[in-house]
Amino acid sequence: KAGVTQTPRYLIKTRGQQVTLSCSPISGHRSVSWYQQTPGQGLQFLFEYFSETQRNKGNFPGRFSGRQFSNSRSEMNVSTLELGDSALYLCASSLAQGIDTQYFGPGTRLTVL
Amino acid sequence: QKEVEQDPGPLSVPEGAIVSLNCTYSNSAFQYFMWYRQYSRKGPELLMYTYSSGNKEDGRFTAQVDKSSKYISLFIRDSQPSDSATYLCAMSAPNQGGKLIFGQGTELSVKP
Repeated sequence: KAGVTQTPRYLIKTRGQQVTLSCSPISGHRSVSWYQQTPGQGLQFLFEYFSETQRNKGNFPGRFSGRQFSNSRSEMNVSTLELGDSALYLCASSLAQGIDTQYFGPGTRLTVL
Repeated sequence: QKEVEQDPGPLSVPEGAIVSLNCTYSNSAFQYFMWYRQYSRKGPELLMYTYSSGNKEDGRFTAQVDKSSKYISLFIRDSQPSDSATYLCAMSAPNQGGKLIFGQGTELSVKP
């Protein structure tokens, strides 16, 4: 069974731009969560989607948003990029919402110049 | 103060050594405890999943949870160079849905 896939793997943007990252969960998984990983803050929860609805949200500004499609694929968007948004963005999928084993993708490395 | 504290290391051990990795936490609502392994330029991979207190063993890996002390551990027996990675503890509470709270991660190096 194929794992979680994320595209693109690497991105370079400049301050003020916006970016969209994509995540395809494991087949049959309906829940997708997003995390930001930085050397200083480690892995931090961004949001969780299940059945096309945001179920949970972390402490990030409104510039960070996401959505989930009917096939469970998910996208996250960051608008008005700041230098501090440079990070590895990880997507994790699980069968159901809430407490369930989460399987992570390889991540998208975003660099903001 | 962070909800989950983990010594970032780095930790260097010789091949064959027993490795002990630890996390402490402050939120008594945490009920689900996980250990992930992350190789360089890869996403985290789930190693162990424990509910509430107790021990769980899987091959060379043993996870322990002591809720009274708010302390969790991962032991690696007969460590191998292929175990060299960053180890992350993660926790969740029943009312937090799929939100995992991670430790900073401990960088482990096993020398041949």
